[in-house]
Amino acid sequence: EAGVTQFPSHSVIEKGQTVTLRCDPISGHDNLYWYRRVMGKEIKFLLHFVKESKQDESGMPNNRFLAERTGGTYSTLKVQPAELEDSGVYFCASSPRTGVYNEQFFGPGTRLTVL
Amino acid sequence: KNQVEQSPQSLIILEGKNCTLQCNYTVSPFSNLRWYKQDTGRGPVSLTIMTFSENTKSNGRYTATLDADTKQSSLHITASQLSDSASYICVVSYSSASKIIFGSGTRLSIRP
Repeated sequence: EAGVTQFPSHSVIEKGQTVTLRCDPISGHDNLYWYRRVMGKEIKFLLHFVKESKQDESGMPNNRFLAERTGGTYSTLKVQPAELEDSGVYFCASSPRTGVYNEQFFGPGTRLTVL
Repeated sequence: KNQVEQSPQSLIILEGKNCTLQCNYTVSPFSNLRWYKQDTGRGPVSLTIMTFSENTKSNGRYTATLDADTKQSSLHITASQLSDSASYICVVSYSSASKIIFGSGTRLSIRP
């Protein structure tokens, strides 16, 4: 079974440009999560999809970030315009269910560098 | 304030030795606590999960403990191997597991 995949693995862009990150969850997983780790800090929650609906987007830092999951399959996270502080590793995770024993399976992450 | 603190920040031990990593949390209402292993360039992988009523859980050479009264957890690694070199992250879920907080991790290096 294929795991969670993310594309690209690395992205280097200039301040003010737009970048779109993609996440393909494990097939059949309704729950999809985006997280971010900025340099030297812990991983932090960004948002949670259940199928195509945003269940919780309380972690999104500002309106420069837009996440979509059309059709309830893969998801994209767009940063427009990118700022220097957006640099970090963006992780996606998926899970088949919610609840106490909900296990999230993580992708390898996309390392974003904004110059 | 809900937070998760881990110690030490980094640790170097010789292959074959044991070690213990610590996690303290101030999270309410507590749902569960997981230990993740994250290899360089990869996403975190779950090692153990414990709910409020569980105070120990093993996964091979990894044994996690949980003291819900003191809000402390530990991850004990026995007979370390070179492949154990990784970051170990403590993650606590709260509010019926719909919210999670990550610790900053312990970077473990195993030397031959």
